[in-house]
Amino acid sequence: NAGVTQTPKFQVLKTGQSMTLQCAQDMNHEYMSWYRQDPGMGLRLIHYSVGAGITDQGEVPNGYNVSRSTTEDFPLRLLSAAPSQTSVYFCASSGPRGGREQYFGPGTRLTVT
Amino acid sequence: SQKIEQNSEALNIQEGKTATLTCNYTNYSPAYLQWYRQDPGRGPVFLLLIRENEKEKRKERLKVTFDTTLKQSLFHITASQPADSATYLCALMDTGRRALTFGSGTRLQVQP
Repeated sequence: NAGVTQTPKFQVLKTGQSMTLQCAQDMNHEYMSWYRQDPGMGLRLIHYSVGAGITDQGEVPNGYNVSRSTTEDFPLRLLSAAPSQTSVYFCASSGPRGGREQYFGPGTRLTVT
Repeated sequence: SQKIEQNSEALNIQEGKTATLTCNYTNYSPAYLQWYRQDPGRGPVFLLLIRENEKEKRKERLKVTFDTTLKQSLFHITASQPADSATYLCALMDTGRRALTFGSGTRLQVQP
C-alpha cells in the first residue's frame, strides 16, 4: 500500500512550456485534490474531484487543468508555465465526500524560469 | 471574504510544557475542522478532526477544542517534546462546498 504518490519530485520549466504533474493513490479514495504551497501563504486549493469523471475548481484554478478518468489517478496539467506557478504542489486524497482526513503525497517542487 | 488565521509567528516553548496554537476563522459555516502537522520538505499529516457539534476531541497528548460561537479552535500539545517541533496547520471543510481550506500554519519549536 503506497498511499499517495507524486511524480516528479522536482521539475524546472521554462516560461511557456507545458507539463503534467502525476498523482496516484491506491486506497480507493473517492476524493482527490491538488494544492499549491507558497511561503507564508499556506496550502491553496487548485482543483478537486469527488469521483471519476467529476472535477471542480478550487481557490486558484487559473493556468491549470485536471481530469479524473479513473479513481486512482488525478493528473494536474500546466498549460503554459509562468514564473508565478513556481511553487510546491501537493496532491491529496480522502474517503467519502472529502469530509475526513486527507492523505498527502510527498509533493513536487516546480520552478519556472 | 472567507479567512482562516493562524499565528504566523513561531511559538517557542520549553520541553514538558503545554503548547497552545490558535485557529480563527471568519465567514465560514464549517462542517469539520482538522489539524495537520507538516515537517520541512514533506506533505502534511493528519492529526485530529472535530465536527461542528463537538466541543473537544483528544488523542494521546493532543487536544482540540472548537467554539463555533467564537469561530475559533485551539490545539494543545501537552508534555511537549522536541520531536513535536513542526508547523501545524488548521483546515476547514465548509458545509457549502466539498473543499478543504487551510490556514497558513504556525511553526512550533520545542526547546530541550
